[in-house]
Amino acid sequence: DVKVTQSSRYLVKRTGEKVFLECVQDMDHENMFWYRQDPGLGLRLIYFSYDVKMKEKGDIPEGYSVSREKKERFSLILESASTNQTSMYLCASSLGSDGDYGYTFGSGTRLTVV
Amino acid sequence: DQQVKQNSPSLSVQEGRISILNCDYTNSMFDYFLWYKKYPAEGPTFLISISSIKDKNEDGRFTVFLNKSAKHLSLHIVPSQPGDSAVYFCAASVSNFGNEKLTFGTGTRLTIIP
Repeated sequence: DVKVTQSSRYLVKRTGEKVFLECVQDMDHENMFWYRQDPGLGLRLIYFSYDVKMKEKGDIPEGYSVSREKKERFSLILESASTNQTSMYLCASSLGSDGDYGYTFGSGTRLTVV
Repeated sequence: DQQVKQNSPSLSVQEGRISILNCDYTNSMFDYFLWYKKYPAEGPTFLISISSIKDKNEDGRFTVFLNKSAKHLSLHIVPSQPGDSAVYFCAASVSNFGNEKLTFGTGTRLTIIP
């Protein structure tokens, strides 16, 4: 069974902390994505990566960075956590072949910044 | 700027009846559309998709209709079952040779009343 695994289901962090959210996929997918889900706003794309060591900004990259040192792992970094980054964070991956639009999502990390 | 919009945040339907979820988009470059279903504490899962060269795609109880001139798509679920209670997101993409990224709507919470 193919999987996208997010290391934490729930996290509570203090304002100003540096926060790492980890995502690992076992499907040999080329593409990986980080979204956040907020009520009334749906899923918004933060960053994505089409290959190892490459990254591109999504729609709301401010306050975030990412790292993709290995194909299977895509990390989201909150440089200095703020309360407005309290959200559900969802990682996804896709195969990256032409015509394949299917994403596989992880179960999400609910982050609370206090 | 919300390029994909779901104007109904919630919908309640009696078991056995038809559920119709609607989605509008503004970007005329979108050429592929998908519906995802999300249960609480889980990541979204792919439900059904449609290419812009079609106006209808059917998979069991689920049918997606696309009206390109109106920039509108809808998901029909017939008959509705209690297990269909979830949040539904529509998503859209522009073909990019395997490097597609999805733009999601705000979601509609569907509740099936037994």
